[in-house]
Amino acid sequence: EDQVTQSPEALRLQEGESSSLNCSYTVSGLRGLFWYRQDPGKGPEFLFTLYSAGEEKEKERLKATLTKKESFLHITAPKPEDSATYLCAVQASGGGADGLTFGKGTHLIIQP
Amino acid sequence: ETGVTQSPTHLIKTRGQQVTLRCSSQSGHNTVSWYQQALGQGPQFIFQYYREEENGRGNFPPRFSGLQFPNYSSELNVNALELDDSALYLCASSFNRGINEKLFFGSGTQLSVL
Repeated sequence: EDQVTQSPEALRLQEGESSSLNCSYTVSGLRGLFWYRQDPGKGPEFLFTLYSAGEEKEKERLKATLTKKESFLHITAPKPEDSATYLCAVQASGGGADGLTFGKGTHLIIQP
Repeated sequence: ETGVTQSPTHLIKTRGQQVTLRCSSQSGHNTVSWYQQALGQGPQFIFQYYREEENGRGNFPPRFSGLQFPNYSSELNVNALELDDSALYLCASSFNRGINEKLFFGSGTQLSVL
């Protein structure tokens, strides 16, 4: 069974204080690892897709990296508008449904 | 370009009742997926429809069923509602099935079962 575990569950940072969110996964065969951002009362918003170990992607203050067992979402000099829940998800290869398996998310609060 | 829209935004039902939730896909998208998100949890995959046919299903019982129409809009039907069905139901559309790059989610329908 595919599993995604995110840590920490919640993180409170001061504006400008850089940190990393962790996503550990076990999957039969990885087709893709996804990061989404979810604001209160809204659906998840796509951030990144990573396909193979060693891959990195960046967008503004966010950088996602991937190894064979985990992914990190690094946030550099965050601003209050970066406050949200960050969700990690995997899609497995080899038959079956194309649905994503999500973790529970990391609730990130950036204080001014 | 219109986004994914879901209706209604909120719904209250009684245990044992039936409910239908609706979703309009983003323009140009032929694949729609439905997810259930309980409070404090990540979304859980219910099923996916591609060109009006079910293309895959998660671990949900048969009382969860769906439809996709020729215009690629979709419905999620839940029969014999249970208290544990209380959750946010998310619809997501994508340009194609397969590798789900850039799933576009709606804002969801908040279902409360009393």
